[in-house]
Amino acid sequence: ETGVTQSPTHLIKTRGQQVTLRCSSQSGHNTVSWYQQALGQGPQFIFQYYREEENGRGNFPPRFSGLQFPNYSSELNVNALELDDSALYLCASSSGQGRSYYNEQFFGPGTRLTVL
Amino acid sequence: SQQGEEDPQALSIQEGENATMNCSYKTSINNLQWYRQNSGRGLVHLILIRSNEREKHSGRLRVTLDTSKKSSSLLITASRAADTASYFCATLDSNYQLIWGAGTKLIIKP
Repeated sequence: ETGVTQSPTHLIKTRGQQVTLRCSSQSGHNTVSWYQQALGQGPQFIFQYYREEENGRGNFPPRFSGLQFPNYSSELNVNALELDDSALYLCASSSGQGRSYYNEQFFGPGTRLTVL
Repeated sequence: SQQGEEDPQALSIQEGENATMNCSYKTSINNLQWYRQNSGRGLVHLILIRSNEREKHSGRLRVTLDTSKKSSSLLITASRAADTASYFCATLDSNYQLIWGAGTKLIIKP
């Protein structure tokens, strides 16, 4: 059984640029959630995808967008990067009917984004 | 916004001792989950306790839930160096999103 993988591991961008982060779900999982974790803080929920549709969104602006593909892998896109977007971005997959809170989530190792 | 708040923010104990961390939350919940994170990397699920449960065990871990006080505790018995990590609780908010606290940083001294 393959776990959750994320790419890239690290990324450095400059303010105003756009970035795409990728996540491959654990086998058999149909729900993917994305989180932003600033240094020394807990994760902040960005959004969740279930069967290729957004199924919940946190308090993040529209420049944070996502996709989920038929194989349940997912992308997080961030446009017009700001300095405060520097953080660890975590993806988590789970099984169930899109309600990840009913089941444990399996996290990837994260992508550390630095915006200069 | 942060729903859960862990206490203490940091805890340093000797190997072999027990470690207790607490989590308080604000709204009614469906379940509460505890996770561990090593060195700022991915989180690992430890235990999920449902709102109708009061206590749950998993190996050296014991979680309690008091819905009347809106609080939970995580006890790690016979701590090991490998338990050094940050521990987070996560609960549901009214929008059915998992909300996380800022975590407790646990250091196990050899």
